[in-house]
Amino acid sequence: GAVVSQHPSRVICKSGTSVKIECRSLDFQATTMFWYRQFPKQSLMLMATSNEGSKATYEQGVEKDKFLINHASLTLSTLTVTSAHPEDSSFYICRVNGPNTEAFFGQGTRLTVV
Amino acid sequence: DAKTTQPPSMDCAEGRAANLPCNHSTISGNEYVYWYRQIHSQGPQYIIHGLKNNETNEMASLIITEDRKSSTLILPHATLRDTAVYYCIVSTLGGSQGNLIFGKGTKLSVKP
Repeated sequence: GAVVSQHPSRVICKSGTSVKIECRSLDFQATTMFWYRQFPKQSLMLMATSNEGSKATYEQGVEKDKFLINHASLTLSTLTVTSAHPEDSSFYICRVNGPNTEAFFGQGTRLTVV
Repeated sequence: DAKTTQPPSMDCAEGRAANLPCNHSTISGNEYVYWYRQIHSQGPQYIIHGLKNNETNEMASLIITEDRKSSTLILPHATLRDTAVYYCIVSTLGGSQGNLIFGKGTKLSVKP
C-alpha cells in the first residue's frame, strides 16, 4: 500500500491564483519531508526541505515567498504555489524517508496554470 | 551535478533479464548505491540499495563491483510494466542529510 499520499494528483488553476498541495506520511512520522519539481522530459529537482515545527530550507533559485511550505505535524507537509504563472506548470512530488534509509515518494501532483 | 553515469536508454525483450549499468567512480566510503524507478507520470519508486555487498529483493538484484565504482541493477524477468526511467543514486542514509540527486537515468523500454 501507499506509504506517502499526495493530493491532489492533478490540478488546473488560473494564472494569479494559489494552489495548495498536501503530502501525508501514512506509515512513518516524518520530521523532514522533501519537495521536488519535475519539468517535462527532465529529472527531479529538489526545491525545498520541509522541517516539522520550523522553517523550510529552500534550494538556491527557489523563491520561498512563492512556494510556501508548512509542516505543521509529523505526518503532513503542504506546498502552496502562490500567484501561480504558466511557468510554474510542472509535476510536484514529495518525499519521505523510511526507517531503513530508503525514500518514499508521493504519487505526484500535475499542476497546469492557464 | 549527479554523481552517477547511466546510459540514456535501453531496450529489453519481455521475459528476459534487464541489466542496467551505473558508474559511480567518485563514491565515498559511507555512500550507498540506491536505485529508484519512475513510471510515466508517477512518483519515483524505491527498488533496492546496497553499500558493498550484492543485494537481492523481490523486485531486483543489485551487483556492486569490488571497488564500488560501478553497479548493475538486474530485473530477472522483465515485464511490460517494468518500462520506466531507472535512476541510480549514491547517497548517505537515503539522503536524509540532504539531497537525493537525480540524474537523467536510463529509460528502459520492455518490448513484447
